[in-house]
Amino acid sequence: DGGITQSPKYLFRKEGQNVTLSCEQNLNHDAMYWYRQDPGQGLRLIYYSQIVNDFQKGDIAEGYSVSREKKESFPLTVTSAQKNPTAFYLCASRGGQGRSGGSYEQYFGPGTRLTVT
Amino acid sequence: GQNIDQPTEMTATEGAIVQINCTYQTSGFNGLFWYQQHAGEAPTFLSYNVLDGLEEKGRFSSFLSRSKGYSYLLLKELQMKDSASYLCAVRSNTGGFKTIFGAGTRLFVKA
Repeated sequence: DGGITQSPKYLFRKEGQNVTLSCEQNLNHDAMYWYRQDPGQGLRLIYYSQIVNDFQKGDIAEGYSVSREKKESFPLTVTSAQKNPTAFYLCASRGGQGRSGGSYEQYFGPGTRLTVT
Repeated sequence: GQNIDQPTEMTATEGAIVQINCTYQTSGFNGLFWYQQHAGEAPTFLSYNVLDGLEEKGRFSSFLSRSKGYSYLLLKELQMKDSASYLCAVRSNTGGFKTIFGAGTRLFVKA
């Protein structure tokens, strides 16, 4: 059955190391998103991609990079330039028509909790 | 700019009704979403409103007033499993149809 997967669920890294978070979807969705969630805050958009080989910066792109070489995959790299990388990272995808016939809701993966020490 | 406000926390009793409010300011409004998020898990879609009025879906209903920049999520016959965060999110057709999320309202359902 279709869905969106992220791995791993928990990730630990030392400060100064780059780390790549995986996001894969088999929903045949064109648009994919990366969000960061910190305690007491809403989801903040890091990067998004509306089509293969194209992506745009979100509101907090500094210190992150992405690629979209395949429709199914949208990996996020957290670089050593990201000042405060410890957070819960959520990947999402969106199709052209939602279950409610045009709602365009996003489908979220289970998230990766990254801890950098 | 864009802004979404919702209460930080609410507490309600099992079997009761609770209303979670959301006010927003945005340009190019293109729909309002409610998502449910249990602790440590991914948000899941609950409802979508793009026109004014009430949308009912089982125990959950969502209301929108575009002129007031206001929405609410109504949960009836509360169950313990409804304890979760409820995220209000607004889609804007400016800047590439981005969705802005509120900080969420943590709902505690007590017996």
